[in-house]
Amino acid sequence: DIVMTQSPDSLAVSLGERATINCKSSQSVLYSSNNKNSLAWYQLKPRQPPELLIYWASTRASGVPDRFSGSGSGTDFTLTISSLQAEDVAVYYCQQYYTTPWTFGQGTKVEIK
Amino acid sequence: QVQLQESGPGLGKSSETLSLTCTVSGGPIGSYYWSWIRQPPGKGLEWIGYIYYDGTTNYNPSLRSRVTMSVDTSKSQFSLRLSSVTAADSALYYCAGSGTYGTFEYWGQGTLVTVSS
Repeated sequence: DIVMTQSPDSLAVSLGERATINCKSSQSVLYSSNNKNSLAWYQLKPRQPPELLIYWASTRASGVPDRFSGSGSGTDFTLTISSLQAEDVAVYYCQQYYTTPWTFGQGTKVEIK
Repeated sequence: QVQLQESGPGLGKSSETLSLTCTVSGGPIGSYYWSWIRQPPGKGLEWIGYIYYDGTTNYNPSLRSRVTMSVDTSKSQFSLRLSSVTAADSALYYCAGSGTYGTFEYWGQGTLVTVSS
């Protein structure tokens, strides 16, 4: 299985400041057929369905605010929230879909400082 | 917009079989791969497996011996059966829909399952 490791486990950021979450995969998730990285990011809030934020490592899903961005390639990836808003308080997960079993990181909890 | 809704007993007994159903609305069940994902209390997400509308399945090897998924296209439903459950199977169970590549575009609200001895 591909192991996904996120850092940090939690972070507290002031409103309007940048939040950065890292995700590392135990092997490359670069999909050779389209030269894209099979890496997605999700936002989980209590009592709400999880939401897909980013796929192919850097493509925003429909309706996702542009303060969310994804970057990285190969085994190292980053989710950045450029200006944290109150509604961004959540747990964020990365996921690889390069090969089954599809696997997730352990999650990063984002709070307001 | 595709919507998913999980249903099934919230309580189960150790060694018995857990059964959950997900109802798909707002879109054709034939367009996506339908997965079950779970989150034990205080832990991360674990993909259990998927089923396609034609019955093709792909299970996580860690659970393969205990998992059975089925689909009923006439009812736009798919189901999960997990046998020989223990307290370690207590979790929030989500159903989710993904396209060809495995990104989960649609999610249910989740249903909490507690296994007691």
